[in-house]
Amino acid sequence: ETGVTQSPTHLIKTRGQQVTLRCSSQSGHNTVSWYQQALGQGPQFIFQYYREEENGRGNFPPRFSGLQFPNYSSELNVNALELDDSALYLCASSLGGAEHEQYFGPGTRLTVT
Amino acid sequence: QKEVEQNSGPLSVPEGAIASLNCTYSDRGSQSFFWYRQYSGKSPELIMSIYSNGDKEDGRFTAQLNKASQYVSLLIRDSQPSDSATYLCAVRGSARQLTFGSGTQLTVLP
Repeated sequence: ETGVTQSPTHLIKTRGQQVTLRCSSQSGHNTVSWYQQALGQGPQFIFQYYREEENGRGNFPPRFSGLQFPNYSSELNVNALELDDSALYLCASSLGGAEHEQYFGPGTRLTVT
Repeated sequence: QKEVEQNSGPLSVPEGAIASLNCTYSDRGSQSFFWYRQYSGKSPELIMSIYSNGDKEDGRFTAQLNKASQYVSLLIRDSQPSDSATYLCAVRGSARQLTFGSGTQLTVLP
């Protein structure tokens, strides 16, 4: 157990809808990174939050957005859902940037129909 | 060329053998390297990190890094059926983000 929690576990949404996924980081960690993992692929970096500021972004459109709160928990918001957004969404917490070890939560499985 | 490439596998080894997993990366500015294990239907679990050239051992696992050759590997000694999983190589490059390979599926046969 990493101490990183995510909610919900599973989610089914319809194309065009909006979704919010949540992540609580491990105690003492100030950085949260979000990843999208399609079936049979490695996780793809979406963005990272460090002390409530976005601190790096991967190749994802602006309809993917996020927040980090003072307690270092985080949200991932996806607007205008598309069928290709169906994936496992993972958050990882760390003490600092990508050079530090990142520990993953259990993930949220999103299905867009 | 993909930024982080792994042998797609699947890789099968008999119980008790050494499993060797390989990863190459394209960004010469990469400084931090990680191996994750992912069981089917689960999230990735960190098993090794390595930052300097050479070998790093942790129990049955040994990570090897050669920055000149842009190559990182993971050896699993005395492989057990419980080691059967997908192994993900992750590299922190110049863009300061973690880039993952597609993973190598390992099966350890009893």
